[in-house]
Amino acid sequence: QVHLVQSGSELKKPGASVTVSCKASGYTFTDYPINWVRQAPGKGLEWLGWINTETETPTYAQAFTGRFVFSLDTSLSTAFLNVSGLEPGDTALYFCVRRYTTGWSLGYWGQGTFVTVSS
Amino acid sequence: QSALTQPRSVSGSPGQSITISCTGSSSDVGAYNFVSWYQEHPGKAPRLLIHAVNKRPSGVSDRFSASKSGNTASLTISGLQADDEADYYCCSYAGGYTLVFGGGTKLTVL
Repeated sequence: QVHLVQSGSELKKPGASVTVSCKASGYTFTDYPINWVRQAPGKGLEWLGWINTETETPTYAQAFTGRFVFSLDTSLSTAFLNVSGLEPGDTALYFCVRRYTTGWSLGYWGQGTFVTVSS
Repeated sequence: QSALTQPRSVSGSPGQSITISCTGSSSDVGAYNFVSWYQEHPGKAPRLLIHAVNKRPSGVSDRFSASKSGNTASLTISGLQADDEADYYCCSYAGGYTLVFGGGTKLTVL
């Protein structure tokens, strides 16, 4: 079955960078895009964007251009989210998510990686 | 993109039915049949309940149903159970290969 396993929690200082990894298994990695979603404590879900795992082309939500970068290592079936210039407002649980079978729904979620930004 | 509008909270008693609305615009909910709904229990990752407006993935109870009219989508939960108490989010394709979420609705089972 489909599994997405993310890297562990991170504590970073403002201005630093963080990389979250997401290792996929149970399917052919390049057949489905990977989306990234975050959730600040006590807040709702925010869609950050997605990466086409076949072409490695990223698409970012308007609010997440510049400091957020999606990348892949297809040989490892792993997706990465890098956030630079971290701000306290970036403190959140970050999820990688695989598309459901077709369309634009988010069917398979990683367990989440909590990133804390604090001095 | 602006977030879709959901009520902050709804409540119902066991056995009752409740409906959660999700209002967008003619650029997202009204334009595409790509509305999905998610259930999130505290401390757990969200779970896909509905895709493509009204389709349930295998394993999702038929107590969950959904529809869309114009710029508003709706999720109905019938025969409320204690375990339905959770946060619910709608999400829509918004064109340009982008998605937008609703603000979320907290369901309390009384």
